[in-house]
Parts: sequence; C-alpha cells; structure tokens
Amino acid sequence: GEDVEQSLFLSVREGDSSVINCTYTDSSSTYLYWYKQEPGAGLQLLTYIFSNMDMKQDQRLTVLLNKKDKHLSLRIADTQTGDSAIYFCAESKTAGGKLIFGQGTELSVKP
Amino acid sequence: NAGVTQTPKFRVLKTGQSMTLLCAQDMNHEYMYWYRQDPGMGLRLIHYSVGEGTTAKGEVPDGYNVSRLKKQNFLLGLESAAPSQTSVYFCASSPHREGKNIQYFGAGTRLSVL
Repeated sequence: GEDVEQSLFLSVREGDSSVINCTYTDSSSTYLYWYKQEPGAGLQLLTYIFSNMDMKQDQRLTVLLNKKDKHLSLRIADTQTGDSAIYFCAESKTAGGKLIFGQGTELSVKP
Repeated sequence: NAGVTQTPKFRVLKTGQSMTLLCAQDMNHEYMYWYRQDPGMGLRLIHYSVGEGTTAKGEVPDGYNVSRLKKQNFLLGLESAAPSQTSVYFCASSPHREGKNIQYFGAGTRLSVL
C-alpha cells in the first residue's frame, strides 16, 4: 500500500528534545519531507532528505533516515512553545509527481 | 510575492449547492494540487495537474472536478455539495525539479456543507 504512518500525538516539556517518527512504504522514494502546520495555516516545508543520505542537520532540526526499515525521524532540539504544531512526513512518488502524507503528529510543548 | 493564494477562506453551503474554489500561484510552477484535510487522516489528494491544460485524479476525486486553463490558476469545483465534503481544502504548487517535489501551500479554505 501507500500508507505513511505517524503517531498522532507527542507532548514534551519546553527545553527537551522532541522526536517524531514516521514509517513509509515505497523504497523507491527519492526524497522524504517534513512539513509543519501551525493552527489555522497551510503546511510549510521544514526540511527534506535525499534517499541516499542517512542524516541531515539544519540548526535545531536533525533528520534520520533508515532505508532498510523505511523509517524516518525528525528530532527538534531545545523544543520551544513556538514549535507546537502538527508535523507531517511525506514521501515522493516518482510517477505523476505526487506526495503521500502521513496523518500528522500533533506536538504539544508545555512550559 | 504572494505565493499560493486560495479564495474564499471560508464558505458554508447547503447540500446540493455548487461552488468553485480558486487557487492562484505567482511562482510560475508547473505542478498544482488540491488536497482535503480531515481530522486524523492527514492530507488526501483530490486532483492534480502537471501543467497548463492537464488534470489527473488523485486519491479521492469523486464529487469534484478541476480545471487548469491558465498555468497560474487551478480551480476545484463541487457540482452538488454533500455533508461528507465538509473539510479544509488546501491547494499547493511545485516546480518539481530534479526529482524534488517541494510543495508550497495556500492557507486553506474551510468549507462546511449543511
């Protein structure tokens, strides 16, 4: 199937690290993406990783990719209340230029 | 640069009414998409377009039609609205270069069908 799976909720304390996990199904996906959706807004690209990479770091964000297990994770260091949002992972389908999104993980950051 | 603009932002319809949602992008992107977002279900692709004059069905196309007469505009039509079409609708566009499909999203249209 084409399911991309994420857990629905994550709650952390301000200053802790957050880790959001995702499993995907298509081993031929060339790029995998993380998007952020703040309340009442559209999705914004946070970061992406090419499938031949294991890790990508961008300031407080670290993306880890395990191709063997088809597992993608997003780590947010020093999580702030402004990081509270829904985070979506997505895999790209080469045919037709489509993205398949997970259900989204709602991150709640408590002071 | 406006990016991706969706109109209207909110709409309430009665069952059986029709309406058109407009998406406009000013980034000269080839690819455009319409999604719906429902609680716990992520984003589901309704229809998409890989260029002016082309359209294709996504995951949940029934009850919707689309048109891409101009490169910058992608219209989503509901011919006879049903309560099951109550949702938040998002439009996105993408340059889709070198295998990367980075999509840029509008702010959404919140539609209620009574």
